[in-house]
Amino acid sequence: EAGVTQFPSHSVIEKGQTVTLRCDPISGHDNLYWYRRVMGKEIKFLLHFVKESKQDESGMPNNRFLAERTGGTYSTLKVQPAELEDSGVYFCASSHGGAGTGRYEQYFGPGTRLTVT
Amino acid sequence: RKEVEQDPGPFNVPEGATVAFNCTYSNSASQSFFWYRQDCRKEPKLLMSVYSSGNEDGRFTAQLNRASQYISLLIRDSKLSDSATYLCAVSRGASKIIFGSGTRLSIRP
Repeated sequence: EAGVTQFPSHSVIEKGQTVTLRCDPISGHDNLYWYRRVMGKEIKFLLHFVKESKQDESGMPNNRFLAERTGGTYSTLKVQPAELEDSGVYFCASSHGGAGTGRYEQYFGPGTRLTVT
Repeated sequence: RKEVEQDPGPFNVPEGATVAFNCTYSNSASQSFFWYRQDCRKEPKLLMSVYSSGNEDGRFTAQLNRASQYISLLIRDSKLSDSATYLCAVSRGASKIIFGSGTRLSIRP
């Protein structure tokens, strides 16, 4: 079974530009999450989708960040316009979300390393 | 106060040693508890889930104390390949995971 995949693996952009990150969850996982790790800090939650609906977006830093999950499959996270403080590693994770099992493990993708210069 | 707290380490132990990490969490409503392993510049990989009082998987044992709100991870007979950062994580149901800052472990030959 394929794991969570993310694209691109690295992105270097200038301040003010736009970047779109993509995440493909594990097949059959309704729950998809975005997290971010900035240098020297712990991994922080950004947003949670259940299928195509945003369940919790309390971690989104500001309105420069837009996440979508059309059709409930892959998700995109767009940063527009990017600022220097947006640099970090963006992880996507997916899970069954309980789904009759009572188990809530989240499996992480390899991350996208974003550098804003 | 952080919601999940871990000793950052680093722990530097010889191969074959037993090492234990502790983690405390502040939200008593937390229901699910995990240990993840993260290698340098890689994603967190799920090591163990803890849903009841404890879980054992080979050389790894995780224990949960709900009354005191702490989780521990014990690694026996440590290997060079165990060198990594170990992340304590808690969640409520299918909601977001709250991570600790991680404990760095280095196993020396």
